[in-house]
Amino acid sequence: DTGVSQNPRHKITKRGQNVTFRCDPISEHNRLYWYRQTLGQGPEFLTYFQNEAQLEKSRLLSDRFSAERPKGSFSTLEIQRTEQGDSAMYLCASSSFNEKLFFGSGTQLSVL
Amino acid sequence: ELKVEQNPLFLSMQEEKNYTIYCNYSTTSDRLYWYRQDPGKSLESLFVLLSNGAVKQEGRLMASLDTKARLSTLHITAAVHDLSATYFCAVDTATSGTYKYIFGTGTRLKVLA
Repeated sequence: DTGVSQNPRHKITKRGQNVTFRCDPISEHNRLYWYRQTLGQGPEFLTYFQNEAQLEKSRLLSDRFSAERPKGSFSTLEIQRTEQGDSAMYLCASSSFNEKLFFGSGTQLSVL
Repeated sequence: ELKVEQNPLFLSMQEEKNYTIYCNYSTTSDRLYWYRQDPGKSLESLFVLLSNGAVKQEGRLMASLDTKARLSTLHITAAVHDLSATYFCAVDTATSGTYKYIFGTGTRLKVLA
């Protein structure tokens, strides 16, 4: 399967803990995106990379969130000191130049 | 800042009926995307509309784009139960020099037998 892969599928954590999610994009795609989706809402843009460069980060994104894409391949999204409001589905997507997004299955985060 | 709005937010319709979902966006863009999401699943691409006047059709769904009006429509013909899902439109920000995609609020469609 050469689609976008995300791990883990589900993560339950206690408030205050740090969590890290991984995304493996489609191999030939140079752009990688992170979105957050809560129930009944559309995906909310968090950040995106072109190759290894992080080109934009949402102004709404707390400093507790950080993303990396070393070597322009897989990406990680880390949330430090999680809060209950961080509970959501975290979606990763990738694309080639100016093309549609291909989404992974997402990581469902529950903060207790 | 680019805003994308859809209406209606919820749509309950009978099988075999026709209906249209509307997607409005606030700034200039030549490209619009439609996605489908089933409950608990990720997003699946339906249509890519790349220019003014573009029209795409797949089965009972047809999408169109009017960049002058900043409006896209997703028309459903003779709905069937299998079309029940949430539909999102998204617009990219390429004309402003960045390449993020902004999604609408979604239209939750339920087709009643």
